[in-house]
Amino acid sequence: GIQVEQSPPDLILQEGANSTLRCNFSDSVNNLQWFHQNPWGQLINLFYIPSGTKQNGRLSATTVATERYSLLYISSSQTTDSGVYFCRYGNQFYFGTGTSLTVIP
Amino acid sequence: DTGVSQNPRHKITKRGQNVTFRCDPISEHNRLYWYRQTLGQGPEFLTYFQNEAQLEKSRLLSDRFSAERPKGSFSTLEIQRTEQGDSAMYLCASSSDRFSYEQYFGPGTRLTVT
Repeated sequence: GIQVEQSPPDLILQEGANSTLRCNFSDSVNNLQWFHQNPWGQLINLFYIPSGTKQNGRLSATTVATERYSLLYISSSQTTDSGVYFCRYGNQFYFGTGTSLTVIP
Repeated sequence: DTGVSQNPRHKITKRGQNVTFRCDPISEHNRLYWYRQTLGQGPEFLTYFQNEAQLEKSRLLSDRFSAERPKGSFSTLEIQRTEQGDSAMYLCASSSDRFSYEQYFGPGTRLTVT
């Protein structure tokens, strides 16, 4: 079946640090998205990025479809960035296992 | 518009009971999706509607689960004869046809089956 692997599974950062989260796919990439689930469970769209690079403030994402991976960059992390980051792709909306991020002040 | 809303936010029920959840999507969105999320896992797709038509159902949606969207607005998800394995967060999302990938999620309904 289709597999979506995310790494690292857990990440602890000091406030102000930068980080890179990775999402690997076992199939051709389509409809790739990144989400943030805050500690209260709310899922928020971050990027729709089937290919190329996008930036939104301190966050940016790059998808290399030919190599079946996507990266999410978080710069100058803040405590409000804490939560779980999911990538998702495919017409049946397969979610990865997530990266749990904790930003400490 | 205040976004996607779900009711109730929490539900505790005894095994064997039936439960029903409601989702109100963003008003101009004609697509509505249901997901289930268990602790430590990503959300799993259950089903989706385009207007009142249920277009796709996951294999996860057993015979005890039924979803409806009778007038193409709000949707209900019913679980009959609940089992402890049904304990999870049930998430609803909505989107437009044009930007179907851009789904907006509700806060979820947390179900605990005792």
